[in-house]
Amino acid sequence: SAVISQKPSRDICQRGTSLTIQCQVDSQVTMMFWYRQQPGQSLTLIATANQGSEATYESGFVIDKFPISRPNLTFSTLTVSNMSPEDSSIYLCSVLGSSSYEQYFGPGTRLTVT
Amino acid sequence: AQKVTQAQTEISVVEKEDVTLDCVYETRDTTYYLFWYKQPPSGELVFLIRRNSFDEQNEISGRYSWNFQKSTSSFNFTITASQVVDSAVYFCALSRGTYKYIFGTGTRLKVLA
Repeated sequence: SAVISQKPSRDICQRGTSLTIQCQVDSQVTMMFWYRQQPGQSLTLIATANQGSEATYESGFVIDKFPISRPNLTFSTLTVSNMSPEDSSIYLCSVLGSSSYEQYFGPGTRLTVT
Repeated sequence: AQKVTQAQTEISVVEKEDVTLDCVYETRDTTYYLFWYKQPPSGELVFLIRRNSFDEQNEISGRYSWNFQKSTSSFNFTITASQVVDSAVYFCALSRGTYKYIFGTGTRLKVLA
Protein backbone atom coordinates (compact mmCIF):
# COMPACT_ATOMS: atom_id res chain seq x y z
CA SER A 1 0.00 0.00 0.00
CA ALA A 2 1.07 3.61 -0.59
CA VAL A 3 2.41 5.75 2.22
CA ILE A 4 0.49 8.99 2.40
CA SER A 5 1.33 12.06 4.43
CA GLN A 6 -0.71 15.19 5.03
CA LYS A 7 0.23 18.64 6.25
CA PRO A 8 -0.77 20.17 8.54
CA SER A 9 -1.98 17.43 10.85
CA ARG A 10 -4.23 19.92 12.61
CA ASP A 11 -4.94 23.62 12.64
CA ILE A 12 -7.13 26.16 14.29
CA CYS A 13 -8.20 28.94 11.95
CA GLN A 14 -10.28 32.05 12.16
CA ARG A 15 -13.51 32.55 10.33
CA GLY A 16 -13.07 34.06 6.87
CA THR A 17 -9.53 32.81 6.31
CA SER A 18 -8.31 30.01 4.03
CA LEU A 19 -6.21 26.93 4.69
CA THR A 20 -4.33 24.81 2.19
CA ILE A 21 -3.86 21.14 3.02
CA GLN A 22 -1.12 19.16 1.33
CA CYS A 23 -1.18 15.48 0.48
CA GLN A 24 2.01 13.66 -0.50
CA VAL A 25 2.22 10.05 -1.71
CA ASP A 26 5.37 7.96 -1.85
CA SER A 27 4.54 6.54 -5.27
CA GLN A 28 2.93 7.75 -8.46
CA VAL A 29 -0.84 7.40 -8.48
CA THR A 30 -3.41 8.31 -11.08
CA MET A 31 -6.32 9.18 -8.88
CA MET A 32 -6.34 11.05 -5.61
CA PHE A 33 -9.41 11.85 -3.58
CA TRP A 34 -10.37 14.37 -0.94
CA TYR A 35 -12.89 13.58 1.77
CA ARG A 36 -14.49 15.51 4.58
CA GLN A 37 -15.49 13.94 7.86
CA GLN A 38 -17.56 16.23 10.03
CA PRO A 39 -17.48 15.61 13.79
CA GLY A 40 -18.98 12.24 14.64
CA GLN A 41 -20.02 11.65 11.05
CA SER A 42 -19.08 9.38 8.19
CA LEU A 43 -16.90 10.33 5.25
CA THR A 44 -18.12 12.40 2.34
CA LEU A 45 -16.23 12.60 -0.94
CA ILE A 46 -15.43 16.20 -1.88
CA ALA A 47 -13.68 15.69 -5.21
CA THR A 48 -11.45 13.51 -7.32
CA ALA A 49 -8.13 14.95 -8.44
CA ASN A 50 -6.47 13.60 -11.56
CA GLN A 51 -3.10 14.87 -12.67
CA GLY A 52 -3.31 17.15 -15.66
CA SER A 53 -7.01 17.84 -15.48
CA GLU A 54 -9.42 19.79 -13.36
CA ALA A 55 -10.80 18.14 -10.27
CA THR A 56 -14.22 16.56 -10.41
CA TYR A 57 -16.46 17.76 -7.58
CA GLU A 58 -19.29 15.89 -5.93
CA SER A 59 -22.71 17.34 -5.47
CA GLY A 60 -22.70 20.00 -2.78
CA PHE A 61 -19.05 20.95 -3.22
CA VAL A 62 -17.80 23.73 -5.48
CA ILE A 63 -14.43 24.75 -6.78
CA ASP A 64 -14.64 28.28 -5.36
CA LYS A 65 -14.94 26.90 -1.85
CA PHE A 66 -12.60 23.91 -2.22
CA PRO A 67 -10.04 24.59 -4.95
CA ILE A 68 -7.79 21.61 -5.64
CA SER A 69 -4.45 21.37 -7.37
CA ARG A 70 -2.77 18.26 -8.70
CA PRO A 71 0.56 19.33 -10.18
CA ASN A 72 2.06 15.84 -10.43
CA LEU A 73 1.39 12.18 -9.76
CA THR A 74 2.51 12.25 -6.12
CA PHE A 75 1.07 15.48 -4.76
CA SER A 76 -2.19 17.35 -4.33
CA THR A 77 -3.53 20.26 -2.32
CA LEU A 78 -7.00 21.11 -1.08
CA THR A 79 -7.80 24.66 -0.03
CA VAL A 80 -10.70 25.38 2.27
CA SER A 81 -11.64 28.96 1.45
CA ASN A 82 -13.46 31.63 3.41
CA MET A 83 -13.88 29.28 6.30
CA SER A 84 -16.79 29.18 8.70
CA PRO A 85 -17.26 27.07 11.84
CA GLU A 86 -19.26 24.59 9.74
CA ASP A 87 -16.02 23.72 7.94
CA SER A 88 -14.59 22.27 11.13
CA SER A 89 -13.89 18.68 10.11
CA ILE A 90 -11.23 16.14 9.42
CA TYR A 91 -10.06 16.35 5.82
CA LEU A 92 -8.54 13.21 4.38
CA CYS A 93 -6.86 12.45 1.11
CA SER A 94 -6.77 8.98 -0.35
CA VAL A 95 -5.42 7.09 -3.34
CA LEU A 96 -6.43 3.95 -5.17
CA GLY A 97 -4.44 0.86 -4.36
CA SER A 98 -2.71 -1.20 -7.01
CA SER A 99 -5.81 -3.35 -7.45
CA SER A 100 -7.75 -0.17 -8.30
CA TYR A 101 -10.54 -1.08 -5.91
CA GLU A 102 -9.49 -0.26 -2.38
CA GLN A 103 -8.46 3.19 -1.28
CA TYR A 104 -5.67 4.05 1.11
CA PHE A 105 -6.04 7.10 3.28
CA GLY A 106 -3.72 9.68 4.68
CA PRO A 107 -3.64 10.52 8.39
CA GLY A 108 -6.05 13.41 7.97
CA THR A 109 -5.99 17.10 8.80
CA ARG A 110 -8.06 18.09 11.79
CA LEU A 111 -9.42 21.59 11.17
CA THR A 112 -11.15 23.74 13.73
CA VAL A 113 -12.63 27.06 12.65
CA THR A 114 -13.37 29.60 15.37
CA ALA B 1 -29.77 3.23 -4.89
CA GLN B 2 -26.85 2.04 -2.85
CA LYS B 3 -26.83 2.17 0.92
CA VAL B 4 -24.77 0.85 3.80
CA THR B 5 -26.26 0.49 7.26
CA GLN B 6 -24.27 0.04 10.42
CA ALA B 7 -27.00 -0.09 13.01
CA GLN B 8 -24.67 -0.32 15.99
CA THR B 9 -23.59 3.18 16.85
CA GLU B 10 -21.40 2.20 19.76
CA ILE B 11 -20.38 -1.08 21.35
CA SER B 12 -18.50 -1.58 24.59
CA VAL B 13 -16.87 -4.86 25.50
CA VAL B 14 -14.43 -6.04 28.09
CA GLU B 15 -11.02 -7.10 26.89
CA LYS B 16 -10.84 -10.70 25.62
CA GLU B 17 -14.51 -10.76 24.70
CA ASP B 18 -15.50 -11.50 21.11
CA VAL B 19 -17.43 -8.79 19.31
CA THR B 20 -19.26 -8.67 15.98
CA LEU B 21 -19.83 -5.49 14.03
CA ASP B 22 -22.78 -5.61 11.69
CA CYS B 23 -22.93 -4.23 8.16
CA VAL B 24 -25.97 -4.48 5.92
CA TYR B 25 -25.88 -3.14 2.40
CA GLU B 26 -28.30 -2.40 -0.42
CA THR B 27 -27.43 -2.44 -4.10
CA ARG B 28 -28.98 -3.49 -7.38
CA ASP B 29 -25.63 -4.18 -8.97
CA THR B 30 -24.53 -7.76 -9.49
CA THR B 31 -20.88 -6.78 -9.25
CA TYR B 32 -19.85 -4.76 -6.26
CA TYR B 33 -17.17 -4.54 -3.61
CA LEU B 34 -17.35 -4.33 0.14
CA PHE B 35 -14.74 -2.93 2.49
CA TRP B 36 -13.98 -2.52 6.15
CA TYR B 37 -11.84 0.29 7.52
CA LYS B 38 -10.62 1.04 11.02
CA GLN B 39 -10.29 4.62 12.27
CA PRO B 40 -8.35 4.80 15.53
CA PRO B 41 -8.39 7.99 17.63
CA SER B 42 -5.48 9.34 15.57
CA GLY B 43 -7.92 9.77 12.69
CA GLU B 44 -6.29 7.79 9.90
CA LEU B 45 -8.45 5.25 8.10
CA VAL B 46 -6.78 1.87 7.95
CA PHE B 47 -7.85 -0.52 5.19
CA LEU B 48 -8.75 -3.95 6.59
CA ILE B 49 -10.38 -5.97 3.85
CA ARG B 50 -12.00 -5.92 0.42
CA ARG B 51 -14.51 -8.52 -0.65
CA ASN B 52 -15.91 -8.99 -4.17
CA SER B 53 -19.58 -9.78 -4.68
CA PHE B 54 -18.78 -13.00 -6.50
CA ASP B 55 -16.61 -14.34 -3.70
CA GLU B 56 -18.63 -15.35 -0.66
CA GLN B 57 -15.78 -17.12 1.04
CA ASN B 58 -15.35 -16.01 4.60
CA GLU B 59 -11.96 -14.72 5.58
CA ILE B 60 -9.87 -14.90 8.70
CA SER B 61 -6.85 -12.79 9.46
CA GLY B 62 -5.47 -13.36 12.92
CA ARG B 63 -8.13 -12.26 15.43
CA TYR B 64 -10.23 -10.71 12.65
CA SER B 65 -12.81 -12.58 10.60
CA TRP B 66 -15.40 -11.52 8.09
CA ASN B 67 -18.70 -13.19 7.21
CA PHE B 68 -20.12 -12.24 3.82
CA GLN B 69 -23.67 -13.45 3.10
CA LYS B 70 -25.29 -12.28 -0.11
CA SER B 71 -28.59 -13.89 0.89
CA THR B 72 -28.93 -11.41 3.75
CA SER B 73 -26.86 -8.60 2.17
CA SER B 74 -24.56 -8.60 5.14
CA PHE B 75 -20.84 -8.31 5.59
CA ASN B 76 -20.17 -8.68 9.30
CA PHE B 77 -16.86 -8.29 11.06
CA THR B 78 -15.86 -10.26 14.15
CA ILE B 79 -12.96 -9.53 16.45
CA THR B 80 -11.99 -12.49 18.60
CA ALA B 81 -10.42 -11.94 22.01
CA SER B 82 -10.67 -8.17 21.71
CA GLN B 83 -7.86 -5.94 22.93
CA VAL B 84 -7.75 -2.35 24.05
CA VAL B 85 -5.90 -1.47 20.83
CA ASP B 86 -8.98 -2.54 18.90
CA SER B 87 -10.80 0.51 20.24
CA ALA B 88 -11.69 2.59 17.18
CA VAL B 89 -14.47 3.53 14.84
CA TYR B 90 -15.04 0.89 12.19
CA PHE B 91 -16.55 1.76 8.82
CA CYS B 92 -18.11 -0.55 6.30
CA ALA B 93 -18.20 0.69 2.70
CA LEU B 94 -19.65 -0.38 -0.65
CA SER B 95 -18.56 0.43 -4.17
CA ARG B 96 -19.54 -0.56 -7.67
CA GLY B 97 -15.94 -1.03 -8.61
CA THR B 98 -15.41 2.60 -9.38
CA TYR B 99 -13.69 4.87 -6.94
CA LYS B 100 -16.91 6.03 -5.32
CA TYR B 101 -17.50 4.55 -1.93
CA ILE B 102 -20.72 4.58 0.01
CA PHE B 103 -19.67 4.59 3.64
CA GLY B 104 -21.77 3.46 6.55
CA THR B 105 -22.10 5.72 9.55
CA GLY B 106 -19.53 3.74 11.50
CA THR B 107 -19.55 1.75 14.73
CA ARG B 108 -17.50 3.00 17.66
CA LEU B 109 -15.96 0.07 19.50
CA LYS B 110 -14.69 0.58 23.03
CA VAL B 111 -12.67 -2.23 24.53
CA LEU B 112 -12.31 -1.86 28.26
CA ALA B 113 -9.32 -3.23 30.14
